[in-house]
Amino acid sequence: ETGVTQTPRHLVMGMTNKKSLKCEQHLGHNAMYWYKQSAKKPLELMFVYSLEERVENNSVPSRFSPECPNSSHLFLHLHTLQPEDSALYLCASSPGGGYEKLFFGSGTQLSVL
Amino acid sequence: EDQVTQSPEALRLQEGESSSLNCSYTVSGLRGLFWYRQDPGKGPEFLFTLYSAGEEKEKERLKATLTKKESFLHITAPKPEDSATYLCAVQAATSGTYKYIFGTGTRLKVLA
Repeated sequence: ETGVTQTPRHLVMGMTNKKSLKCEQHLGHNAMYWYKQSAKKPLELMFVYSLEERVENNSVPSRFSPECPNSSHLFLHLHTLQPEDSALYLCASSPGGGYEKLFFGSGTQLSVL
Repeated sequence: EDQVTQSPEALRLQEGESSSLNCSYTVSGLRGLFWYRQDPGKGPEFLFTLYSAGEEKEKERLKATLTKKESFLHITAPKPEDSATYLCAVQAATSGTYKYIFGTGTRLKVLA
């Protein structure tokens, strides 16, 4: 399998649930990202990991908790979300070092009821 | 404040009707300007990177150009399969190594 793979593709959860989004990249990249995409809004950067170390945390609420166990895997742990958190969550990777294009997964469409 | 604005928000073209999408930016120190294509239900897919004013890149029916204030994505004789949302993003020197500033995109619909 190649590229960036995200699971699940769709997720519906209640406000009291705990769930996790998974991302795996098969490109040998060193940097991985979580973005949030809402209708008619620009992509919002949430977190960046470089060589498994978090290098960006864009003032994201604590109900979103990232985890990067190695350079190929990235998780986003979700708990007590709000309806306004419903969005498409995209994972991306890049070789690392800046000045680079991003390789995106297909995203997880999250609905919070 | 670093900013990226794309226009128009939506565009409908007849097959074969050429047009241009605009991405205007205000950044302190441009490191790179990126164009992506996003199909419904999928993540953005990289198209081009431009680094300096005057630079041009081409791929099939698409041509991207860059000035000091804006970038254009020219679509020549589009086909229905070119229908997608086109996103522009800039990487600015002031926003950190890994931070990209995205526009809201242009939704393109090409009618057969």
